[in-house]
Amino acid sequence: GAVVSQHPSRVICKSGTSVKIECRSLDFQATTMFWYRQFPKQSLMLMATSNEGSKATYEQGVEKDKFLINHASLTLSTLTVTSAHPEDSSFYICSALMTGQETQYFGPGTRLLVL
Amino acid sequence: AQSVTQLGSHVSVSEGALVLLRCNYSSSVPPYLFWYVQYPNQGLQLLLKYTSAATLVKGINGFEAEFKKSETSFHLTKPSAHMSDAAEYFCAVTAYNQGGKLIFGQGTELSVKP
Repeated sequence: GAVVSQHPSRVICKSGTSVKIECRSLDFQATTMFWYRQFPKQSLMLMATSNEGSKATYEQGVEKDKFLINHASLTLSTLTVTSAHPEDSSFYICSALMTGQETQYFGPGTRLLVL
Repeated sequence: AQSVTQLGSHVSVSEGALVLLRCNYSSSVPPYLFWYVQYPNQGLQLLLKYTSAATLVKGINGFEAEFKKSETSFHLTKPSAHMSDAAEYFCAVTAYNQGGKLIFGQGTELSVKP
């Protein structure tokens, strides 16, 4: 139980294009999902908290117009990197908080490379 | 406010030896504590968690951790390391009033020598 999927697992795009990453909780409902970014050999950096049916809460320094988050259902949150640039290349990881519990379950991550 | 400190960014042990990964936390309210493992190019997998029940917590793959309030610690141990334990390990803290938001330590890379 408590499986979280991400799609795609890897994406390569040209500079200036937008990329959408999906995060799904497969066997549980998640009122809250989180989006992280991870640089090589570093810990996870929280980008934003996504709540079903409401606007996402972004961490300080994260551009909300660049990283659009939508949490339209209790099992799906999406992160869209708009007008991607090479500096946006990174490993993006989502997690889902099982409703009523305190444990985050993580997706397998999405490797984004912007050329 | 909450924080987590993992002592040692890199730990190396021999196969069959004891694994000890250190984690100290700071929290103004009773904490919930977690250990996650990350293999290369993968997401994080929950190893174990402490949420105010038993202070000695057993997790997957033979790992366990003990919550020590007096020492503000939650160290991760395993009696005998396997080669497959080589990975990055993260300690994290949250609390009842944090909306599930985790504060992560910087991570400890565990290497296992044959």
